[in-house]
Amino acid sequence: DTGVSQDPRHKITKRGQNVTFRCDPISEHNRLYWYRQTLGQGPEFLTYFQNEAQLEKSRLLSDRFSAERPKGSFSTLEIQRTEQGDSAMYLCASRGDRAGDVLFGQGTRLTVV
Amino acid sequence: TQLLEQSPQFLSIQEGENLTVYCNSSSVFSSLQWYRQEPGEGPVLLVTVVTGGEVKKLKRLTFQFGDARKDSSLHITAAQPGDTGLYLCAGARGGSNYKLTFGKGTLLTVNP
Repeated sequence: DTGVSQDPRHKITKRGQNVTFRCDPISEHNRLYWYRQTLGQGPEFLTYFQNEAQLEKSRLLSDRFSAERPKGSFSTLEIQRTEQGDSAMYLCASRGDRAGDVLFGQGTRLTVV
Repeated sequence: TQLLEQSPQFLSIQEGENLTVYCNSSSVFSSLQWYRQEPGEGPVLLVTVVTGGEVKKLKRLTFQFGDARKDSSLHITAAQPGDTGLYLCAGARGGSNYKLTFGKGTLLTVNP
């Protein structure tokens, strides 16, 4: 297993367009998290999945954001009608069922122009 | 409200010097993680501490969790240019979701 994988690594989009990011967690990890990190800040929690169930969403996750994990494996994060304020690093992390560490992917850097 | 305060925010030192960075909170955490992040990359886990008063060593890095599990420190001995990066602390509260709350980080630059 090569760790948490995110795709794409970089995305430049025009304001108003929709974008979708993918995260492949570590294979035996049933818990998956999305975080957002802006310049000069630490990552901020967006949402959490246990298997395919989305169990928690942050107030940061506006109606334009939606996340899915249909088969309890990979996850997607979609942003509709992107705004310049959506420009950030979007990080995915996963954790196993037993006590274990939260491990992050390399992130997707989104730039909205 | 930033639940985890990290200090200093920026630190620039010469190779070979020692340094300590701090992570403080008024809240109790069930565990605390330290990550290092390089530009354009995701955070890489360095250590997890779970017991109040716990000390963990990772080569030249020493991590301590406060007795009350509200604060932590990271000490680096004989810093090297490869230690350059953003050091983030993150706390987890109790509960099954293990959601992490991050500080803003300490940006360390080690000059050769």
